[in-house]
Amino acid sequence: AQSVTQLDSHVSVSEGTPVLLRCNYSSSYSPSLFWYVQHPNKGLQLLLKYTSAATLVKGINGFEAEFKKSETSFHLTKPSAHMSDAAEYFCVVSDQGGSQGNLIFGKGTKLSVKP
Amino acid sequence: SQTIHQWPATLVQPVGSPLSLECTVEGTSNPNLYWYRQAAGRGLQLLFYSVGIGQISSEVPQNLSASRPQDRQFILSSKKLLLSDSGFYLCAWSVGDTEGSVNTDTEAFFGQGTRLTVV
Repeated sequence: AQSVTQLDSHVSVSEGTPVLLRCNYSSSYSPSLFWYVQHPNKGLQLLLKYTSAATLVKGINGFEAEFKKSETSFHLTKPSAHMSDAAEYFCVVSDQGGSQGNLIFGKGTKLSVKP
Repeated sequence: SQTIHQWPATLVQPVGSPLSLECTVEGTSNPNLYWYRQAAGRGLQLLFYSVGIGQISSEVPQNLSASRPQDRQFILSSKKLLLSDSGFYLCAWSVGDTEGSVNTDTEAFFGQGTRLTVV
């Protein structure tokens, strides 16, 4: 069965410093992987997705993630944090071999950005 | 362009009362529709998904039910709410395919969510 683990429930960085949000996955098939962002009391917005093309995926707002099969990881990074990046981030996996279309969400990482 | 509407944004209901949350999608046809719940301190959990009118699949047995009376309308209901039903409920849609299955490569588009508090 597929699963996703976000290793940090809360990450705090200073504005202008790099961001690293960690995600490890488990999947029986070639996975599709996503990162979503959720601002307080709002719906989720897709940041980026990996679907077996290039392993380094660039998303919106300067975020990117690298798919590393050997490490079963899909960490989200950004070179320089902005105050507006403060939100909760979800790593998501789905199996291409699955028929139910179940997107499995991690528990989320809350990113705080200090001025 | 496609849009998704979900209402109400917040709701406080007493234990034992009924529930109806509505979600509609505009600008697309035959979407796959989803209801997720986000409980405090947890990730999102898929509750129901639908690939067509009247076709509902339940992922987690519980006190809730879903219906899809029209192509772009998805309703989450309960006859009697429990305290444990409190949480943040999100409706989502993704592009459906002609075979009526769910393409897990495509992204899901989420509504603004409903914060339900059962008291």
